[in-house]
Amino acid sequence: NAGVTQTPKFRVLKTGQSMTLLCAQDMNHEYMYWYRQDPGMGLRLIHYSVGEGTTAKGEVPDGYNVSRLKKQNFLLGLESAAPSQTSVYFCASCVSGVNTDTQYFGPGTRLTVL
Amino acid sequence: GQQLNQSPQSMFIQEGEDVSMNCTSSSIFNTWLWYKQDPGEGPVLLIALYKAGELTSNGRLTAQFGITRKDSFLNISASIPSDVGIYFCAGRSGNTPLVFGKGTRLSVIA
Repeated sequence: NAGVTQTPKFRVLKTGQSMTLLCAQDMNHEYMYWYRQDPGMGLRLIHYSVGEGTTAKGEVPDGYNVSRLKKQNFLLGLESAAPSQTSVYFCASCVSGVNTDTQYFGPGTRLTVL
Repeated sequence: GQQLNQSPQSMFIQEGEDVSMNCTSSSIFNTWLWYKQDPGEGPVLLIALYKAGELTSNGRLTAQFGITRKDSFLNISASIPSDVGIYFCAGRSGNTPLVFGKGTRLSVIA
């Protein structure tokens, strides 16, 4: 099992450019999440999905869109990147059900917007 | 929304010392989790707690789910250099997504 993988690992964008971050998991997990991590801010939830074809907003959804067309993949899109979106982005997944909040995290994508 | 206050923000300790950190919430939680993040990697789950008063150990790590359900504690005994990293608490109530604390950065001086 590869667990949770993220593509790409690093990316530099210019303001206004668009890009898509890919998260893939091979654990057959129902739930998937996108977080951003900024210095001193911990992990903040951007969007999440409780199953294929579903998405929901988290704490900081503005400027991002997501799609969950396949159960194993969760895409995070930036339509028009801004310097404020410079961050490290983490994807996570977990099974559904009671007492199953264990989230497995990917290695992260470091994004710089100039 | 729900907020978690995690303290301390950072710690510098000597190798072999014990470490304590805690999290408090503004609302009652039914789940508390503790994660560790090594530099350049994603967080990894250390301990999960699901019942008020629960005390759970994982090697040198011990975590407790506070009786009030608004706090949790993590202790590390006899610290070693590989304990260096950022420790995050996380909690949830009902069916809401996990909320994460801002982290405690631990540095161990050999």
